Amino acid sequence: NAGVTQTPKFRILKIGQSMTLQCTQDMNHNYMYWYRQDPGMGLKLIYYSVGAGITDKGEVPNGYNVSRSTTEDFPLRLELAAPSQTSVYFCASRTIRDSTDTQYFGPGTRLTVL
Amino acid sequence: DQQVKQNSPSLSVQEGRISILNCDYTNSMFDYFLWYKKYPAEGPTFLISISSIKDKNEDGRFTVFLNKSAKHLSLHIVPSQPGDSAVYFCAASVRGSGNTGKLIFGQGTTLQVKP
Repeated sequence: NAGVTQTPKFRILKIGQSMTLQCTQDMNHNYMYWYRQDPGMGLKLIYYSVGAGITDKGEVPNGYNVSRSTTEDFPLRLELAAPSQTSVYFCASRTIRDSTDTQYFGPGTRLTVL
Repeated sequence: DQQVKQNSPSLSVQEGRISILNCDYTNSMFDYFLWYKKYPAEGPTFLISISSIKDKNEDGRFTVFLNKSAKHLSLHIVPSQPGDSAVYFCAASVRGSGNTGKLIFGQGTTLQVKP
């Protein structure tokens, strides 16, 4: 049981390039989330999904797109990278067990846009 | 507008003593609160949570206290251990209509426990 996995771990992009951050979970969770964390700040929600085929915007969706074709995968797409998207990106999936509602996070992708 | 605030960027305590991390929120609709711990180069890991119907929840060395009237929660770690040194994030959600599980995070507090 690997939990939430993210690839790549690190990436450097040039302004205007595009890329997809991959996220996979093997816990059969319906809810999945993408957050970004800027230095010295908390995590901010970019997009989330309540199940396959259903996605919605979070607090900071501009410049990003997502898709959810399967329960396991929730990729995040950056179409035209900008320096403001330099951040650490975390994917998470949610479970509710015995009234405890929590999210499991992946290890993160550190993205630099130059 | 910062709905969840952790006003202390850092805290240093001696091993064996109590660590108290604080968190304030402004949105009275929040009804579920969580604490996460984060080590460098890792994702956050869940520590403990509390529903707004309670004022205290305990799990081993970790206790979370909720004061709804003050819109304040705190995490107590007793006794503190060097392995507790990490960044601690407070998070809040509204579990009412829709219950999408969206979390609003504070900025984090870096705890250092000295041997």
